[in-house]
Order: sequence, then structure tokens, then C-alpha cells
Amino acid sequence: AQTVTQSQPEMSVQEAETVTLSCTYDTSENNYYLFWYKQPPSRQMILVIRQEAYKQQNATENRFSVNFQKAAKSFSLKISDSQLGDTAMYFCAFMMGYNNNDMRFGAGTRLTVKP
Amino acid sequence: GAVVSQHPSRVICKSGTSVKIECRSLDFQATTMFWYRQFPKQSLMLMATSNEGSKATYEQGVEKDKFLINHASLTLSTLTVTSAHPEDSSFYICSARGGVAGSNQPQHFGDGTRLSIL
Repeated sequence: AQTVTQSQPEMSVQEAETVTLSCTYDTSENNYYLFWYKQPPSRQMILVIRQEAYKQQNATENRFSVNFQKAAKSFSLKISDSQLGDTAMYFCAFMMGYNNNDMRFGAGTRLTVKP
Repeated sequence: GAVVSQHPSRVICKSGTSVKIECRSLDFQATTMFWYRQFPKQSLMLMATSNEGSKATYEQGVEKDKFLINHASLTLSTLTVTSAHPEDSSFYICSARGGVAGSNQPQHFGDGTRLSIL
């Protein structure tokens, strides 16, 4: 079974600084997808970034980028120039390539951006 | 794009009442919809998956007679919590995905419904 582990329950960062959220996963498969979702206090889950396992290049979306280490099964999220609006729960998620109705979420990391 | 609307956002009702939650994809056709339950300070737990026009597939431990799911069109899925009891109180979130069934498109989430059973 696939598992997703986020080892940092809570983190904080000063506004404008950079923060990295950790995520590791366990799978024996080679074809899969990884996601980071953000859940602000309003509770809506928002897709931040996605990575296809077959791509070696790390995905980036504006201030958000990932460090995808396939051999180490690591998928960390880096937020640059943190903004107050980045305060939220961040969930790492794993989805199989062939059974992609099965998305597994990590326990989440609560990020607080301090002014 | 990829907007999912979930309604209502909050429900408070008496024990024994049945509650219906709607999930709509506003600007895309949702071939697959998902229903999650989220307890306070915890991650999302998948309850069921439904493809348009088919019966929902429930996760182990989820009572299908308790949580009725209907996905009759490409833009609407409903979750009905039948004869709700206080232990059913939770945050319920739907998500929707377009493309052909089983595609690798990401899921887009609704705003969630906080259900409180008195």
C-alpha cells in the first residue's frame, strides 16, 4: 500500500522568507503523480503544484517549487517570498498512474506566516 | 477554471434527520467525483468514488446505506447522510475530476460542508 508521510505537523516562517515543507512516500510503483494541496482557514482545498514521476525536472509554479527526489521517495515543497496568505494547512498527496482514483494524502503541515 | 461548488457550506440539524450535500462542477464535465471526510486537525479520508452514471465505489468501512451517493450527471453529485447521528458530525469535502474515467487529471475540491448533528 502506498503511504504518504509529512513529518512536520507545524511550521512557521517570517513574511518574505523561504520555507520548505517535507514529504516522503512509499511505493513500489514507477508510474505515479505527486501533488501539494493547500487548505486555508476557509477550508477549500487548492491545488498548489503537481509532479509527474516520469519527469526529472522539478515542477515550479511562481513562488512554489518542489524538490522531487525519486530514488529517495521525497517530494518537498519550497515556498519563496512567503506571504501572509500562504498561511494554511498543506497536504502532500500521491496518486497512482494506473489506479488514479486512489489519491492518498499525508497528515498535513500547518504553516503560519508571521508578519 | 476548474471550479467546484459545494452546497451547503454548513448544516446544523437534529439527530435522525437526513441531510443532502450537493457538489457541482461549474466549468468542466466531472467524469469522476470523490467524497471525503475530514476530522478536526486530520487529513482527508476518502469515503467513495463515483463515475457519472455508475454506482459509487465505497471505501472499506464506509456504510453505503448510510452515505448515499448519486452522480446522475456530469456536473452534479450528491451525498445524502441518512438518519444522521452526532457521530456523523464532520467536515465533508467533495472533489471532481474531468477527462476520461481514470485519467491523471488532478482533483479539484469544493469548499466543504460542515455538518453538525445535535
